[in-house]
Amino acid sequence: GQQVMQIPQYQHVQEGEDFTTYCNSSTTLSNIQWYKQRPGGHPVFLIQLVKSGEVKKQKRLTFQFGEAKKNSSLHITATQTTDVGTYFCAGPPNAGKSTFGDGTTLTVKP
Amino acid sequence: NAGVTQTPKFQVLKTGQSMTLQCAQDMNHNSMYWYRQDPGMGLRLIYYSASEGTTDKGEVPNGYNVSRLNKREFSLRLESAAPSQTSVYFCASSEAWGRLFFGSGTQLSVL
Repeated sequence: GQQVMQIPQYQHVQEGEDFTTYCNSSTTLSNIQWYKQRPGGHPVFLIQLVKSGEVKKQKRLTFQFGEAKKNSSLHITATQTTDVGTYFCAGPPNAGKSTFGDGTTLTVKP
Repeated sequence: NAGVTQTPKFQVLKTGQSMTLQCAQDMNHNSMYWYRQDPGMGLRLIYYSASEGTTDKGEVPNGYNVSRLNKREFSLRLESAAPSQTSVYFCASSEAWGRLFFGSGTQLSVL
């Protein structure tokens, strides 16, 4: 069945460094969503990508959807302490499965 | 506009006790979901309701039951709580299978 794998599980960076998390699916995805969860909080929607090769930017965040629609990435330029949290990718539900990746937890050292 | 409201925020149960987690959304969404989140893991779907009057099992339904009371409300019931059900529970809603709006979560501990 469809599985979404996310790497790395943890990333520690110095403030100002860049950060990237990668999401890979075993099957082609019709779309992919990205969420951010702050410590102790709930997941909050960031963006949805639909088109093959799509690239979207939100300020310092750049989201990409692979040409084959099996992988995606989130890149943060010049991290800030406010970027701390866990970033999840999620494919569309399949046969009742939520297809969330396990997330990448980002910590930022000031 | 409150979005998705979950109650309670915290709950401690003894093994074998029962309880119901309540969830309500005010965005007129058709679809509602219950997820659990364990440390270091992603969100696993327990049950979902694609529309009022329908419910379906997700990937981890054992030990849970749900009720889609009306379009706004979707409750999750633990009939006989077990320590393995210690987790953070999130309710969410969406229009079709689009963007998910999450509630603030319920921290449940089963002793």
